[in-house]
Amino acid sequence: ILNVEQSPQSLHVQEGDSTNFTCSFPSSNFYALHWYRWETAKSPEALFVMTLNGDEKKKGRISATLNTKEGYSYLYIKGSQPEDSATYLCASYSGAGSYQLTFGKGTKLSVIP
Amino acid sequence: DAGVIQSPRHEVTEMGQEVTLRCKPISGHNSLFWYRQTMMRGLELLIYFNNNVPIDDSGMPEDRFSAKMPNASFSTLKIQPSEPRDSAVYFCASSLGLSNQPQHFGDGTRLSIL
Repeated sequence: ILNVEQSPQSLHVQEGDSTNFTCSFPSSNFYALHWYRWETAKSPEALFVMTLNGDEKKKGRISATLNTKEGYSYLYIKGSQPEDSATYLCASYSGAGSYQLTFGKGTKLSVIP
Repeated sequence: DAGVIQSPRHEVTEMGQEVTLRCKPISGHNSLFWYRQTMMRGLELLIYFNNNVPIDDSGMPEDRFSAKMPNASFSTLKIQPSEPRDSAVYFCASSLGLSNQPQHFGDGTRLSIL
C-alpha cells in the first residue's frame, strides 16, 4: 500500500497571489505521478501526468515539477484567480505487481477575490 | 466525444436492497476503474479492469461488493445487500491503460443507504 501525502490540507490565498503545494510519495517502484483538479460538485480532471525525474509541466498559470529520487512533486499556481478554487489531488502510480493509482487526500485551495 | 457516463447520478435506497451502479467508459479506453469517495478516506480505488478483465480487486471492501465488465463499453458495480455505511459517491474512470495516461472520470453516483 502506497502512502501519498499532500500538504497543506487546505489553503486560502488572495487573488493575484502565487502559491504552491506538495505531494510526497514512495520513490520505489515508481512509474508516474498524476495531478488532478477537482471542483466542488464535479469530477476530477487531469492536469498533468509526469514520469521522469526532473520533469516539468505547464498549463497556463499552473505548473508542476517532479523529483522521483526523493519522492516529491510540487504544483505551482501563478497569480491565483477565484476560478482556481478547487481541490488539487496528486496520485502516484506504482507497478509493484499490479498497476494501481493511489491518491492523496488533496489540497483544498480557496482564492479570495 | 462523450466522456465517461455513469448512471444513476443519485440513488437513495433502503438498507438491505441491492444497488447497481453503471458505467460506460470512453470508447477506445481499455482500462476502467471504480472509486469510492468518502470524507474519512478520500478517493479509494475499489477495483480496476484491463481489457475487460479484473486485475486488482483488493480495494473491494467485502463480499457484498462485486463488479463486472461484460464488454469494452459497459461495467457494473453491485452492492448486495446494501448497508448505511456504503453511502458515498462512487466514481468510474477510464484510461488508455498505461501509467502515463490520465484517467477520465465520470460525474459519479451519489449513493445514500437509509
